[in-house]
Amino acid sequence: KQEVTQIPAALSVPEGENLVLNCSFTDSAIYNLQWFRQDPGKGLTSLLLIQSSQREQTSGRLNASLDKSSGRSTLYIAASQPGDSATYLCAVKTNAGKSTFGDGTTLTVKP
Amino acid sequence: NAGVTQTPKFQVLKTGQSMTLQCAQDMNHNSMYWYRQDPGMGLRLIYYSASEGTTDKGEVPNGYNVSRLNKREFSLRLESAAPSQTSVYFCASSPLGTQYYGYTFGSGTRLTIV
Repeated sequence: KQEVTQIPAALSVPEGENLVLNCSFTDSAIYNLQWFRQDPGKGLTSLLLIQSSQREQTSGRLNASLDKSSGRSTLYIAASQPGDSATYLCAVKTNAGKSTFGDGTTLTVKP
Repeated sequence: NAGVTQTPKFQVLKTGQSMTLQCAQDMNHNSMYWYRQDPGMGLRLIYYSASEGTTDKGEVPNGYNVSRLNKREFSLRLESAAPSQTSVYFCASSPLGTQYYGYTFGSGTRLTIV
């Protein structure tokens, strides 16, 4: 059974800092990995989707990497802003077609 | 550009009551999903519909039923609500062939059973 872990559960940084969020998974036979952002009381907004054949994806200040062999993905946020404060979740889709979600990392960016 | 629309956004039920959560997508996606989100337990799949006319159980289907009414709509029904079903419910959709595509989520229904 796929297990997805996101550590740390919470992170607080000053504005302007570059930061990395981590997502680890146990089964490397994956289709893709998707990073989401969730604001309090809101739904999930897709940030980046990395296919199993890809190493990274970029969107603006966000860069997500994937290393299947080590079962890890990272989400890099450059020049963090208070508006980046949210919970970030990763979802791993295995070859069986099902997805497993991590519990998320709650990010607070202080002005 | 609505995406995935869920109704209602909030609901309070008494134990034993029934209700149906509605979900509709306008992206011509084939697959639709119902998840519940609980603190410390992440998102768990309740039911999914890979394509119109098919439904399958997910990780936590007990106490729920679903209907894929047409390609656009996928509803979740609680026949006899229990306090353990207090949760935030999310509907999601994706194109067929989800190997290459991710999910689009609705904004959620916050359901409280008293």
